[in-house]
Amino acid sequence: DTGVSQDPRHKITKRGQNVTFRCDPISEHNRLYWYRQTLGQGPEFLTYFQNEAQLEKSRLLSDRFSAERPKGSFSTLEIQRTEQGDSAMYLCASSLVPVNEQFFGPGTRLTVL
Amino acid sequence: AQKITQTQPGMFVQEKEAVTLDCTYDTSDPSYGLFWYKQPSSGEMIFLIYQGSYDQQNATEGRYSLNFQKARKSANLVISASQLGDSAMYFCAMREGSAGANNLFFGTGTRLTVIP
Repeated sequence: DTGVSQDPRHKITKRGQNVTFRCDPISEHNRLYWYRQTLGQGPEFLTYFQNEAQLEKSRLLSDRFSAERPKGSFSTLEIQRTEQGDSAMYLCASSLVPVNEQFFGPGTRLTVL
Repeated sequence: AQKITQTQPGMFVQEKEAVTLDCTYDTSDPSYGLFWYKQPSSGEMIFLIYQGSYDQQNATEGRYSLNFQKARKSANLVISASQLGDSAMYFCAMREGSAGANNLFFGTGTRLTVIP
């Protein structure tokens, strides 16, 4: 399968714990995006990378969130000191600029107890 | 103001019939792109169709067509010959700026149920 993959698919954690998610984009896609989707809403943009450079961060991305794409391939999204409000689906997408479409992964569903 | 508005939380359609899902958008940028994605219960967002603001003709992809009315700022999705597998959430999204610009803004979605 050469689509976008995300790991883990589900994560249950206790409030205050740190969690890390991984995204593997489509090979050779130079753009990688993170979105967050809460129940009943559409995805909301968090941040994106052009190769290894993080070029934009949403105001939704508090200082407890950090994302990296160290070699311009896979990316990680870490949430420190999780809160119940962080419970959501975290979606990763990739694209090959200047192609328009973003291709999404299956998401990581986070539940904070 | 919301950049993307989807006013239909849920829609029902009989199998083999056509259905229109509404989407209106708000932007002052003359260059933008409009997208429709399908999200089945598995959670993955599946790209369906794209319309650029300068495209002269409405986009079509198989059973999907986009009814683009620029003056009304609407980009409705038409699904012809509905199938049971079309039951899912459908999201309209917009990219502001030229191709390759940044993030997408999504609406709140419409849940489509296809009735056998």
